[in-house]
Amino acid sequence: EDQVTQSPEALRLQEGESSSLNCSYTVSGLRGLFWYRQDPGKGPEFLFTLYSAGEEKEKERLKATLTKKESFLHITAPKPEDSATYLCAVNSPYNTDKLIFGTGTRLQVFP
Amino acid sequence: KAGVTQTPRYLIKTRGQQVTLSCSPISGHRSVSWYQQTPGQGLQFLFEYFSETQRNKGNFPGRFSGRQFSNSRSEMNVSTLELGDSALYLCASSFSGAQETQYFGPGTRLLVL
Repeated sequence: EDQVTQSPEALRLQEGESSSLNCSYTVSGLRGLFWYRQDPGKGPEFLFTLYSAGEEKEKERLKATLTKKESFLHITAPKPEDSATYLCAVNSPYNTDKLIFGTGTRLQVFP
Repeated sequence: KAGVTQTPRYLIKTRGQQVTLSCSPISGHRSVSWYQQTPGQGLQFLFEYFSETQRNKGNFPGRFSGRQFSNSRSEMNVSTLELGDSALYLCASSFSGAQETQYFGPGTRLLVL
């Protein structure tokens, strides 16, 4: 059964303090790994899609990387507006038409 | 390009009633998926439609149903509402399915009293 585990559950950072969020997955053949950001009461906002080990994507202060077992979302010099819940999801041949989500990492960045 | 839209945004119902939620995908997207989000369970897959056909269904009771129209708009229906159905219902669209990027709408917040 496909599974996604995110850690830590919650993370508090000082503004400018870089860190990484982890997404570990167990799937029967990864078709895609997706990172989303979700603000309270809103729908998830797409950040990155990664398809193969070694792939990296960057957007502003965020960088996503992928290995055969996990993905990292690196946040460099975060700002308070980066505060949100970050969700990781996978798609696999076993679950062709759906995404399996992790429970997310709630990030708070303090000035 | 307009994003995914969902109506209504908020809904209050009582136990035993039924509810219909609507989702309009991004123009050109033919796949629409529905997810339920609760604090305890996170995002759980409900079902996915492509070209008016349900291709996959999650582990939810038969009270949860959906359909897709020829213009790719989709509706989901929940009959005989229970307190545990209170959740944020999210719709996501993509060109052809979950193997590519899905874009989410703002969600419909359903409260069952």
